Amino acid sequence: QVQLVESGGGVVQPGGSLRLSCAASGFTFSSYAMHWVRQAPGKGLEWVGLTRSDASNKYYADSVKGRFTISRDSSKNTLSLQMNSLRAEDTAVYYCAKGGDLGSYYFDYWGQGTLVTVSS
Amino acid sequence: QTVVTQEPSFSVSPGGTVTLTCGLSSGSVSTSYYPSWYQQTPGQAPRTLIYSTNIRSSGVPDRFSGSILGNKAALTITGAQADDESDYYCVLYMGSGTWVFGGGTKLTVL
Repeated sequence: QVQLVESGGGVVQPGGSLRLSCAASGFTFSSYAMHWVRQAPGKGLEWVGLTRSDASNKYYADSVKGRFTISRDSSKNTLSLQMNSLRAEDTAVYYCAKGGDLGSYYFDYWGQGTLVTVSS
Repeated sequence: QTVVTQEPSFSVSPGGTVTLTCGLSSGSVSTSYYPSWYQQTPGQAPRTLIYSTNIRSSGVPDRFSGSILGNKAALTITGAQADDESDYYCVLYMGSGTWVFGGGTKLTVL
């Protein structure tokens, strides 16, 4: 069965950096787009960004563009999110999510999330 | 900046029917936005319910259905049960590889 397990969350100071990982199993990782979605405490879901199956294209929400970078390693079935210049408003649970079949434009499986806290 | 709108809260009686909607601050939602719906209970990851407007995700009971109603996407729950009490989020594909979530609807079953 599909499993997505995030790791790397923690407490970081404003202006600092953090790298999240998502270990994927149970499906052909190299065949699917992968997303990051976050949720600030007590708030709604926010789409963060996407890497296509072949990593040829990556897209980001305006709120993180230029600060966050998504990458993937199909040899290790791992998705990553490099977060730089972190701000208090980046405090959230970060979920990785598997994209649906090509042309379906949705998220079909989700990890359990990892908490990032940006605070001095 | 496009805003995806949802009712902040809704209540339904057990066994009743409720329709939650997902609109745009400017314009109409159509199937071209590939609306999808997710259910989330506190402390849990979201669960996928509906995608591409009206396709139920695997294992989702048929009392959950999706549609376009007027100028909005809609999620209808028929025969509401106590464990349907959750937050519900829609998300729209905005093109150019980007998605926008609605603010979510907190559904109370009482």
